[in-house]
Amino acid sequence: GNSVTQMEGPVTLSEEAFLTINCTYTATGYPSLFWYVQYPGEGLQLLLKATKADDKGSNKGFEATYRKETTSFHLEKGSVQVSDSAVYFCALCERTGNQFYFGTGTSLTVIP
Amino acid sequence: DAEITQSPRHKITETGRQVTLACHQTWNHNNMFWYRQDLGHGLRLIHYSYGVQDTNKGEVSDGYSVSRSNTEDLPLTLESAASSQTSVYFCASSVQLQETQYFGPGTRLLVL
Repeated sequence: GNSVTQMEGPVTLSEEAFLTINCTYTATGYPSLFWYVQYPGEGLQLLLKATKADDKGSNKGFEATYRKETTSFHLEKGSVQVSDSAVYFCALCERTGNQFYFGTGTSLTVIP
Repeated sequence: DAEITQSPRHKITETGRQVTLACHQTWNHNNMFWYRQDLGHGLRLIHYSYGVQDTNKGEVSDGYSVSRSNTEDLPLTLESAASSQTSVYFCASSVQLQETQYFGPGTRLLVL
Protein backbone atom coordinates (compact mmCIF):
# COMPACT_ATOMS: atom_id res chain seq x y z
CA GLY A 1 0.00 0.00 0.00
CA ASN A 2 0.85 3.67 0.07
CA SER A 3 2.22 5.46 3.10
CA VAL A 4 4.42 8.35 4.16
CA THR A 5 6.72 8.39 7.16
CA GLN A 6 8.06 11.64 8.56
CA MET A 7 10.57 12.28 11.30
CA GLU A 8 9.03 12.76 14.71
CA GLY A 9 8.83 16.24 16.10
CA PRO A 10 8.74 18.69 17.56
CA VAL A 11 11.84 20.31 16.14
CA THR A 12 13.23 23.46 17.73
CA LEU A 13 15.95 25.46 15.98
CA SER A 14 17.62 28.79 16.42
CA GLU A 15 17.19 31.41 13.73
CA GLU A 16 19.58 30.91 10.77
CA ALA A 17 20.13 27.23 11.57
CA PHE A 18 20.00 24.54 8.89
CA LEU A 19 16.80 22.53 8.67
CA THR A 20 16.22 18.97 7.52
CA ILE A 21 12.93 17.16 7.92
CA ASN A 22 13.12 13.57 6.75
CA CYS A 23 10.38 11.96 4.69
CA THR A 24 10.30 8.48 3.21
CA TYR A 25 7.48 6.86 1.32
CA THR A 26 6.06 3.56 0.23
CA ALA A 27 4.13 3.44 -3.00
CA THR A 28 2.88 0.75 -5.31
CA GLY A 29 3.41 2.89 -8.38
CA TYR A 30 5.22 6.06 -9.34
CA PRO A 31 3.89 8.91 -7.22
CA SER A 32 4.10 12.66 -7.19
CA LEU A 33 5.51 14.00 -3.92
CA PHE A 34 4.53 17.11 -2.01
CA TRP A 35 5.43 19.19 1.02
CA TYR A 36 2.64 21.18 2.62
CA VAL A 37 2.97 23.74 5.42
CA GLN A 38 0.37 24.60 8.04
CA TYR A 39 0.76 27.86 9.93
CA PRO A 40 -1.01 28.20 13.28
CA GLY A 41 -4.78 28.37 12.93
CA GLU A 42 -4.71 27.92 9.16
CA GLY A 43 -5.26 25.23 6.57
CA LEU A 44 -2.50 23.49 4.68
CA GLN A 45 -0.70 25.31 1.88
CA LEU A 46 1.41 23.73 -0.82
CA LEU A 47 5.07 24.47 -0.20
CA LEU A 48 6.67 22.54 -3.05
CA LYS A 49 6.28 19.42 -5.14
CA ALA A 50 8.13 17.06 -7.47
CA THR A 51 6.59 14.76 -10.02
CA LYS A 52 9.46 12.51 -11.14
CA ALA A 53 12.72 11.04 -9.96
CA ASP A 54 15.60 13.50 -9.43
CA ASP A 55 13.26 16.49 -9.70
CA LYS A 56 13.94 19.18 -7.14
CA GLY A 57 11.03 21.20 -5.81
CA SER A 58 11.82 24.58 -4.30
CA ASN A 59 9.97 27.52 -2.80
CA LYS A 60 10.71 30.23 -0.20
CA GLY A 61 14.23 28.88 0.33
CA PHE A 62 12.99 25.33 0.98
CA GLU A 63 14.10 22.47 -1.24
CA ALA A 64 13.37 18.77 -1.59
CA THR A 65 14.68 16.26 -4.13
CA TYR A 66 12.72 13.22 -5.29
CA ARG A 67 15.02 10.25 -4.64
CA LYS A 68 13.53 7.10 -6.12
CA GLU A 69 16.43 4.88 -5.10
CA THR A 70 15.99 5.72 -1.42
CA THR A 71 12.22 6.46 -1.65
CA SER A 72 12.81 9.77 0.08
CA PHE A 73 11.80 13.42 -0.24
CA HIS A 74 13.62 15.22 2.57
CA LEU A 75 12.85 18.89 3.15
CA GLU A 76 15.79 21.28 3.64
CA LYS A 77 16.38 24.95 4.22
CA GLY A 78 19.75 26.55 4.68
CA SER A 79 18.78 29.30 7.12
CA VAL A 80 15.45 29.19 8.94
CA GLN A 81 13.56 32.22 10.15
CA VAL A 82 11.10 32.70 12.99
CA SER A 83 8.35 33.00 10.38
CA ASP A 84 9.05 29.39 9.28
CA SER A 85 7.57 28.11 12.53
CA ALA A 86 4.75 25.81 11.40
CA VAL A 87 3.80 22.17 10.93
CA TYR A 88 5.19 20.53 7.79
CA PHE A 89 3.49 17.61 6.06
CA CYS A 90 4.96 15.29 3.47
CA ALA A 91 2.45 13.71 1.08
CA LEU A 92 2.25 11.51 -1.98
CA CYS A 93 -0.27 10.90 -4.70
CA GLU A 94 -0.07 8.02 -7.13
CA ARG A 95 -0.20 8.97 -10.81
CA THR A 96 -2.99 6.49 -11.41
CA GLY A 97 -4.62 7.01 -8.05
CA ASN A 98 -7.02 9.50 -6.65
CA GLN A 99 -5.99 9.99 -3.06
CA PHE A 100 -3.31 11.87 -1.21
CA TYR A 101 -1.47 10.12 1.61
CA PHE A 102 -0.12 12.44 4.27
CA GLY A 103 2.54 11.95 6.88
CA THR A 104 1.76 12.74 10.50
CA GLY A 105 3.36 16.17 10.31
CA THR A 106 6.48 17.65 11.90
CA SER A 107 6.17 20.71 14.09
CA LEU A 108 8.97 23.25 13.70
CA THR A 109 9.62 26.10 16.12
CA VAL A 110 12.31 28.64 15.30
CA ILE A 111 13.52 30.78 18.17
CA PRO A 112 15.25 34.16 17.77
CA ASP B 1 -9.96 35.96 -5.88
CA ALA B 2 -11.05 32.33 -5.96
CA GLU B 3 -11.01 30.63 -2.61
CA ILE B 4 -12.25 27.78 -0.47
CA THR B 5 -14.19 28.55 2.70
CA GLN B 6 -15.50 26.47 5.57
CA SER B 7 -18.19 27.20 8.11
CA PRO B 8 -18.52 27.28 10.98
CA ARG B 9 -14.89 27.72 12.04
CA HIS B 10 -15.67 26.42 15.51
CA LYS B 11 -18.54 24.21 16.68
CA ILE B 12 -19.50 22.64 19.97
CA THR B 13 -22.20 19.99 19.93
CA GLU B 14 -23.54 17.16 22.04
CA THR B 15 -23.28 13.43 21.53
CA GLY B 16 -26.04 12.10 19.30
CA ARG B 17 -26.81 15.35 17.49
CA GLN B 18 -26.60 15.71 13.72
CA VAL B 19 -24.00 18.23 12.58
CA THR B 20 -23.29 19.59 9.11
CA LEU B 21 -20.04 21.29 8.18
CA ALA B 22 -20.06 23.45 5.07
CA CYS B 23 -17.37 23.70 2.40
CA HIS B 24 -17.60 26.11 -0.53
CA GLN B 25 -15.05 26.70 -3.29
CA THR B 26 -15.10 29.24 -6.08
CA TRP B 27 -12.40 27.71 -8.28
CA ASN B 28 -14.87 25.55 -10.16
CA HIS B 29 -12.79 22.49 -9.23
CA ASN B 30 -14.39 19.13 -9.93
CA ASN B 31 -12.57 17.31 -7.13
CA MET B 32 -13.36 17.97 -3.48
CA PHE B 33 -12.18 16.21 -0.33
CA TRP B 34 -12.86 16.09 3.39
CA TYR B 35 -10.11 15.24 5.91
CA ARG B 36 -9.87 15.09 9.64
CA GLN B 37 -6.70 16.04 11.45
CA ASP B 38 -5.82 14.41 14.74
CA LEU B 39 -2.61 14.48 16.74
CA GLY B 40 -0.41 11.54 15.81
CA HIS B 41 -2.44 10.69 12.72
CA GLY B 42 -1.86 13.59 10.39
CA LEU B 43 -4.66 14.01 7.86
CA ARG B 44 -7.02 11.15 7.12
CA LEU B 45 -9.45 11.13 4.22
CA ILE B 46 -13.14 10.92 5.12
CA HIS B 47 -14.99 11.32 1.80
CA TYR B 48 -14.27 12.70 -1.63
CA SER B 49 -16.09 13.66 -4.80
CA TYR B 50 -15.03 13.85 -8.45
CA GLY B 51 -18.02 15.89 -9.54
CA VAL B 52 -21.70 16.60 -9.15
CA GLN B 53 -23.65 13.61 -7.83
CA ASP B 54 -20.42 11.66 -7.26
CA THR B 55 -19.31 10.72 -3.73
CA ASN B 56 -16.80 8.15 -2.47
CA LYS B 57 -15.74 6.80 0.91
CA GLY B 58 -12.28 7.43 2.23
CA GLU B 59 -10.21 5.79 4.92
CA VAL B 60 -12.37 6.91 7.90
CA SER B 61 -15.90 7.32 6.50
CA ASP B 62 -17.94 5.57 9.21
CA GLY B 63 -20.39 7.99 10.84
CA TYR B 64 -20.01 10.61 8.09
CA SER B 65 -21.84 11.36 4.85
CA VAL B 66 -21.51 13.86 2.03
CA SER B 67 -23.60 15.01 -0.90
CA ARG B 68 -22.61 16.91 -4.04
CA SER B 69 -25.52 18.74 -5.64
CA ASN B 70 -23.38 21.41 -7.36
CA THR B 71 -19.74 22.02 -8.22
CA GLU B 72 -19.08 24.58 -5.47
CA ASP B 73 -20.25 22.78 -2.32
CA LEU B 74 -19.50 19.55 -0.48
CA PRO B 75 -21.19 19.56 2.94
CA LEU B 76 -20.06 16.96 5.49
CA THR B 77 -22.71 15.54 7.82
CA LEU B 78 -22.12 13.72 11.07
CA GLU B 79 -25.28 11.67 11.39
CA SER B 80 -25.05 11.16 15.15
CA ALA B 81 -22.03 12.91 16.62
CA ALA B 82 -19.71 10.91 18.86
CA SER B 83 -16.90 12.09 21.13
CA SER B 84 -14.45 10.24 18.86
CA GLN B 85 -15.38 12.72 16.13
CA THR B 86 -13.90 15.62 18.04
CA SER B 87 -11.29 16.83 15.60
CA VAL B 88 -10.26 19.51 13.16
CA TYR B 89 -11.89 19.07 9.77
CA PHE B 90 -10.39 20.32 6.51
CA CYS B 91 -11.98 20.59 3.13
CA ALA B 92 -9.83 20.63 0.00
CA SER B 93 -10.29 20.84 -3.75
CA SER B 94 -8.23 20.22 -6.87
CA VAL B 95 -8.64 20.80 -10.58
CA GLN B 96 -7.03 17.50 -11.56
CA LEU B 97 -6.46 14.29 -9.68
CA GLN B 98 -2.83 13.85 -8.66
CA GLU B 99 -2.47 17.61 -8.71
CA THR B 100 -2.15 20.11 -5.89
CA GLN B 101 -5.00 20.18 -3.40
CA TYR B 102 -6.06 23.55 -2.00
CA PHE B 103 -7.24 23.57 1.58
CA GLY B 104 -9.81 25.55 3.49
CA PRO B 105 -9.03 27.11 6.90
CA GLY B 106 -10.57 24.23 8.86
CA THR B 107 -13.45 23.67 11.29
CA ARG B 108 -12.67 22.79 14.88
CA LEU B 109 -15.41 20.49 16.21
CA LEU B 110 -15.88 19.52 19.84
CA VAL B 111 -18.39 16.79 20.68
CA LEU B 112 -19.35 16.71 24.36
